[in-house]
Amino acid sequence: GAGVSQSPSNKVTEKGKDVELRCDPISGHTALYWYRQSLGQGLEFLIYFQGNSAPDKSGLPSDRFSAERTGGSVSTLTIQRTQQEDSAVYLCASTLGLHSYEQYFGPGTRLTVT
Amino acid sequence: GQQLNQSPQSMFIQEGEDVSMNCTSSSIFNTWLWYKQDPGEGPVLLIALYKAGELTSNGRLTAQFGITRKDSFLNISASIPSDVGIYFCAGDGATNKLIFGTGTLLAVQP
Repeated sequence: GAGVSQSPSNKVTEKGKDVELRCDPISGHTALYWYRQSLGQGLEFLIYFQGNSAPDKSGLPSDRFSAERTGGSVSTLTIQRTQQEDSAVYLCASTLGLHSYEQYFGPGTRLTVT
Repeated sequence: GQQLNQSPQSMFIQEGEDVSMNCTSSSIFNTWLWYKQDPGEGPVLLIALYKAGELTSNGRLTAQFGITRKDSFLNISASIPSDVGIYFCAGDGATNKLIFGTGTLLAVQP
């Protein structure tokens, strides 16, 4: 596709369950970013990848959060033992490379933990 | 974490009016970007600024990179209903991460 895609678009899960969120970046974009957006808030940086490596994981809120990227393309954000405070929209963005700051965002995954 | 102060928090205007919003930071940024987010969508890049003092336009939108490198402004002229949304500023301090403002909600009444 032409843009960044994310799946699922919506996810409702019970507290304590694990969830996986997927991001497909724009083809050829080497850098990929994950953000969290709580209701009415700005974007909170979680992690970014350059290729398959993640030089900066400082934004991950806890060790229940992890992410990986394979083949320099698709990335998966995993949240283990979800808590209600994890409810938010999770956004993915990609750029041509680390030194391009023009990030292009996907539509997000809205996660609701009940 | 570090955040940008964005104001106003919300604006309710009549169609045809001009709009101004701004972002300030306690630290210097090398890049400023402005995004718009529609409900249920991801942010869309409107304008990117790379040089202090730079003034860039995109249609009815004009943004400026402040001389001090600690602020940026976005102006929308002759607003129309489809301008409705949340506008975010973002800055990059050469850390490979964007820091986002808290957003300005714009409502335009026809």
